[in-house]
Order: sequence, then structure tokens, then C-alpha cells
Amino acid sequence: DAGVIQSPRHEVTEMGQEVTLRCKPISGHNSLFWYRQTMMRGLELLIYFNNNVPIDDSGMPEDRFSAKMPNASFSTLKIQPSEPRDSAVYFCASTQGQGSYNEQFFGPGTRLTVL
Amino acid sequence: KQEVTQIPAALSVPEGENLVLNCSFTDSAIYNLQWFRQDPGKGLTSLLLIQSSQREQTSGRLNASLDKSSGRSTLYIAASQPGDSATYLCAVNSGYSTLTFGKGTMLLVSP
Repeated sequence: DAGVIQSPRHEVTEMGQEVTLRCKPISGHNSLFWYRQTMMRGLELLIYFNNNVPIDDSGMPEDRFSAKMPNASFSTLKIQPSEPRDSAVYFCASTQGQGSYNEQFFGPGTRLTVL
Repeated sequence: KQEVTQIPAALSVPEGENLVLNCSFTDSAIYNLQWFRQDPGKGLTSLLLIQSSQREQTSGRLNASLDKSSGRSTLYIAASQPGDSATYLCAVNSGYSTLTFGKGTMLLVSP
């Protein structure tokens, strides 16, 4: 299995621009998570999907952030407009099942820099 | 709200030493606990998953224990090697598959 795939791996943009991060979960996994990692706050959950439906988006910091999962094999995290404080590494993870008993597998991350 | 603390924040040891990384959590009502490894500039690699009903899990030179009642987990690394140098993250699943992470322990194993 190819594992969780994220693109792009690096993104540099200017403040005010729209940024779209992409994720392909492991085939057969029906839960998908977006996390953000910063030096100050560590790893934080942004949003969680199960069977393509958002279950918990309480971690999404502001309305500038939005996430979609149009099908079981693709998800996007969009920031519009981007700000320098959004600079972080964004991880996507997936797991099998809805329950809380399964191992989560992480993608390599997208390092976002907003100038 | 679940809070996860990892001690120490950084650890430097010579090759060959056995070492213990600590993780504590404030709410003992957990489903499982997962230990990850993160290399600089890389993603997270899952090392061990311990369900709340288990006391420990082993994989090669790694052994993770869980004491749910006291809110503690330890990751034991035997005969450390320079290739073990990385940041080790502890994450607690308190429900709905969402993980709460500690800030990690940065390990350096010198030859």
C-alpha cells in the first residue's frame, strides 16, 4: 500500500492568497483526519471525517479554514485568505472504521509557509 | 479536556543504553494510546498501539506500557542505536478516534 499521500509537500505563498492542501487516504480506510503541527502548540486536530462526512470540526481555527471530502479517496483543506500565522506543517491521517480502537496512519505532511 | 505531557523534553544518551520515555495524561477514560516516531522534516511513523484493556505492547527493541488508572505510559527502548535518534510522540485516544498529542521527547543517541 502506498500509505497516506499528501500534496504538495511544500507550499510557499504570500499573505492573502488561497492555499489548497490535498490528501489521499489509505484505500479501505473510512476515517480521515487533518492535523496541524507548530513549534508552539505541537500537533492539533483540525477536523475529522467519517464516511466522507465531517464529524468534528471544532479544531478548525477560523472561518478562513475549510475542508471537504467529496469521495472516499480524496480530501482537501483550504485556507482563504492565508495569513503568516497559518505557517505550519499540515498532516493528514487515516484509519479504518469509525470506532476509537484503530491505529492512525499519517501522511508525510505539507509544510506551508505564508510570507 | 485531555492533556498529555511528555517528560523529558529532550534526552541525549550514548549508544547501547537502555532508556525510558514518559507520557502522562489527565483523563484516564481513554480508548487507547499510540506512540509515534517523527524524524526531522518527516511525517509520523506509528510504533506501538496499546488498547485501554492492555498493559503493554512489544515490537523489537521497543516496549510500551500503560497504567490507565494512574494516567501514565512509558516507552522503553533497549540497546539504543544512533538510528533511534528522532522525536517520540505519545498520543491518547479519548473517543471518536481523535488523538491528543504530547509535545514529544527529542532523543539523540550518540555513537
